Amino acid sequence: TQLLEQSPQFLSIQEGENLTVYCNSSSVFSSLQWYRQEPGEGPVLLVTVVTGGEVKKLKRLTFQFGDARKDSSLHITAAQPGDTGLYLCAGGSGNQFYFGTGTSLTVIP
Amino acid sequence: KAGVTQTPRYLIKTRGQQVTLSCSPISGHRSVSWYQQTPGQGLQFLFEYFSETQRNKGNFPGRFSGRQFSNSRSEMNVSTLELGDSALYLCASSSDLRSSGNTIYFGEGSWLTVV
Repeated sequence: TQLLEQSPQFLSIQEGENLTVYCNSSSVFSSLQWYRQEPGEGPVLLVTVVTGGEVKKLKRLTFQFGDARKDSSLHITAAQPGDTGLYLCAGGSGNQFYFGTGTSLTVIP
Repeated sequence: KAGVTQTPRYLIKTRGQQVTLSCSPISGHRSVSWYQQTPGQGLQFLFEYFSETQRNKGNFPGRFSGRQFSNSRSEMNVSTLELGDSALYLCASSSDLRSSGNTIYFGEGSWLTVV
């Protein structure tokens, strides 16, 4: 059973375009993290959100945690080739993190 | 401060052999968790250790085991390797997964290829 579903699974866009990645679940999480992973490397933490409705901005990236703490979104403005990678959401519950299915983003110069 | 360190980074093993992977967490972190990542299955949770005790275990066969030492360093072992065990094995550390709002930090991973 996959607790966290991400959409879309694959995304290929032109440099300068905007995009949104979604992370949805029927479960409530105490926190939610977003990671970016490049091929052959470990995931790198982008942000942690803990409060329902919370919005965090990291330069061109905007993260939102759903009011019910079951879902989250990642919005990238004016995507750059350096944004290319696998984006993973992870929900914390108890003593375990549950990872989303991942969104593979390719930004074409 | 230093991040999560995993060794070795790359290794090739033969079917039937066993392998031990090592992870040094961020200084002060007591929780270490292990994940297997493959293209088809994504990130799969293996187990989590806290203060030398296994607190949680994923749905993997008994060939996968681990331990944690008093200095929080952890090792995982896979015995009787199978071709399907080829994957990126990731270690992550945190101060305590059970704390609300806690965050895990990943190492660069150990690439295991079974031939």
